[in-house]
Amino acid sequence: DAMVIQNPRYQVTQFGKPVTLSCSQTLNHNVMYWYQQKSSQAPKLLFHYYDKDFNNEADTPDNFQSRRPNTSFCFLDIRSPGLGDAAMYLCATSRAYGQDQPQHFGDGTRLSIL
Amino acid sequence: QKEVEQNSGPLSVPEGAIASLNCTYSDRGSQSFFWYRQYSGKSPELIMFIYSNGDKEDGRFTAQLNKASQYVSLLIRDSQPSDSATYLCAVNTPSGDMRFGAGTRLTVKP
Repeated sequence: DAMVIQNPRYQVTQFGKPVTLSCSQTLNHNVMYWYQQKSSQAPKLLFHYYDKDFNNEADTPDNFQSRRPNTSFCFLDIRSPGLGDAAMYLCATSRAYGQDQPQHFGDGTRLSIL
Repeated sequence: QKEVEQNSGPLSVPEGAIASLNCTYSDRGSQSFFWYRQYSGKSPELIMFIYSNGDKEDGRFTAQLNKASQYVSLLIRDSQPSDSATYLCAVNTPSGDMRFGAGTRLTVKP
């Protein structure tokens, strides 16, 4: 059974048209993460939440926003997508922060920009 | 210097051979290390994690950690074509963030 669920699997949007990606989890984990992964590159952390405490990576563009309305759901909003934002977006969860906490990933949303 | 470095490959081994994947990391304070497997177009899947120096075995997989050398490796014994994927090394930094390497692409040829 899927425990970290991302929707949609594939998203196509137009240049500059806002888009929202969603993630839900059934693990009841406290921490949720959003990563951006481009072809043949490492996943790049964009943000993470511990419960409702939001943490933004310093180099995450202002164009990217996130919301976590409750424990189970987390959203990634891209306000004005550019061609360089085409990538796989991965949501992950972990029970807590800490050195011994593995992250569990969803299947990802592949975003294309026309 | 990148925080987590891996040879990008591709690494090609024949079926039944041992595949050896290597990773180095820059933050000496890191304490936990993870190996993820990622098939093309799919999300990373956790294979193993290791916290202590030495070897940790799980089936055909063995993770090896040497904190003094800031080096972690993954051995895959009796490699199968289904093991063909990109293997990501990930390191939990002292602040609790996980940093990934760019991955090594492994091909196991029948």
